[in-house]
Amino acid sequence: AQSVTQPDIHITVSEGASLELRCNYSYGATPYLFWYVQSPGQGLQLLLKYFSGDTLVQGIKGFEAEFKRSQSSFNLRKPSVHWSDAAEYFCAVGASGGSYIPTFGRGTSLIVHP
Amino acid sequence: KAGVTQTPRYLIKTRGQQVTLSCSPISGHRSVSWYQQTPGQGLQFLFEYFSETQRNKGNFPGRFSGRQFSNSRSEMNVSTLELGDSALYLCASSLEGGGADTQYFGPGTRLTVL
Repeated sequence: AQSVTQPDIHITVSEGASLELRCNYSYGATPYLFWYVQSPGQGLQLLLKYFSGDTLVQGIKGFEAEFKRSQSSFNLRKPSVHWSDAAEYFCAVGASGGSYIPTFGRGTSLIVHP
Repeated sequence: KAGVTQTPRYLIKTRGQQVTLSCSPISGHRSVSWYQQTPGQGLQFLFEYFSETQRNKGNFPGRFSGRQFSNSRSEMNVSTLELGDSALYLCASSLEGGGADTQYFGPGTRLTVL
């Protein structure tokens, strides 16, 4: 069975600082990996996804993530955080196959100080 | 294209009542999944419907049920409501529901059980 761990429940950064949110997954084959963001009172919005190929994936809003098979990680990064980035971030893993049940991490809450 | 819509956005019910939530997927999407989101348990998969058939089911009691119509719209029903059913219920649609598919989430229905 697949699983996702987001080790940081909360992360606080200053506006303009760089950001890295950690995600570790467990899955037997090459997984499909996703990062979503959820603003208060809203649904989830896809930031980026990895299926295969280049291990560095570019997403929306200036985010990127790097897939590292050896570390079973898919960390999300942003070089300079804006106050509007304050939100909940979810990493998810999907299995290959005709139908699947995606597994989400517990989320990391990002707090941005001015 | 219009996004995923969910109605109603907010609901207040009392214990023992039943409730029906509605989800309209993005046009052309045939897979609809439902999730329950709570502070304590995070995002938990309820079930997935594809072409009017329940294809996957999470670990929830039989009080939680759903259906999908021929136009891909979906409803979920919770009978005999309990206090613990208070949550944000998210609907997500995707083209085929496969592992590589991106899920697009609606804004959710906030259910409060008193």
